Amino acid sequence: DGGITQSPKYLFRKEGQNVTLSCEQNLNHDAMYWYRQDPGQGLRLIYYSQIVNDFQKGDIAEGYSVSREKKESFPLTVTSAQKNPTAFYLCASETIGTGYTGELFFGEGSRLTVL
Amino acid sequence: GESVGLHLPTLSVQEGDNSIINCAYSNSASDYFIWYKQESGKGPQFIIDIRSNMDKRQGQRVTVLLNKTVKHLSLQIAATQPGDSAVYFCAENMPGTDKLIFGTGTRLQVFP
Repeated sequence: DGGITQSPKYLFRKEGQNVTLSCEQNLNHDAMYWYRQDPGQGLRLIYYSQIVNDFQKGDIAEGYSVSREKKESFPLTVTSAQKNPTAFYLCASETIGTGYTGELFFGEGSRLTVL
Repeated sequence: GESVGLHLPTLSVQEGDNSIINCAYSNSASDYFIWYKQESGKGPQFIIDIRSNMDKRQGQRVTVLLNKTVKHLSLQIAATQPGDSAVYFCAENMPGTDKLIFGTGTRLQVFP
C-alpha cells in the first residue's frame, strides 16, 4: 500500500541534542512538507521541497534543517538551536504539475519531547 | 494518544444529529479549500475539498459550503457518528504558491 511513513512515533531528547525525524513516501509525490503542530494552533510550515536537492524555508524554519537527497525521503533535523522543540511533527506530500489537486497526504506524526 | 488542540473550540453533538463546523479563512484571493479530519495521535486525513468557483460540494455524509463574500467555510456532517469524533481543520490555498494555510481546528465530540 502507498503512503507516508514517519519514524519514530515518539522520541525523547535531552536539551542540547540534535535529533532527526524520518519521513518516507512511496506515492511518487514530487513535493514534501514538514509541519509543526502545537496545542491550540494550526499546522505551521517548517520546510518544504518540490524537487530533489532543493528545499525552501517555511514560516518557522529557525532551528531546523532538512535534506532531499531522494524523491522518497525528506528527513527533518531538530537542532539544539530550536528553543522550544517539544511538539507534534507532521510530514506531508503531494503531487505537483500534471495531476496536481492541492490535497496533501499526511503521515501519522512524530511526537518529540525534550526532557 | 496524542493530545492536539487542548484549547480548541469544541462542538458537542448527540449521535445521529447533524454537525456544522465553521471556519473563517484569511485571504480573499484563496482559490482552493480543504477540510481535514485528525483523530487523536494520527495525521490529518482529507475529507472534502472545494474550489472558489463553487458554493457547495457534497460528499458521503459531508457537505462543504463556501461563502466568498464573508470568507467563510463550513463543513456539515449528517447523522454524526462516534467515529466522527476528531479535530477538524480547514485549509486554504494561496494562489501562486504551493502552500496551504491551516486554521486552528475545531474539536468535535459525539456523545450517545
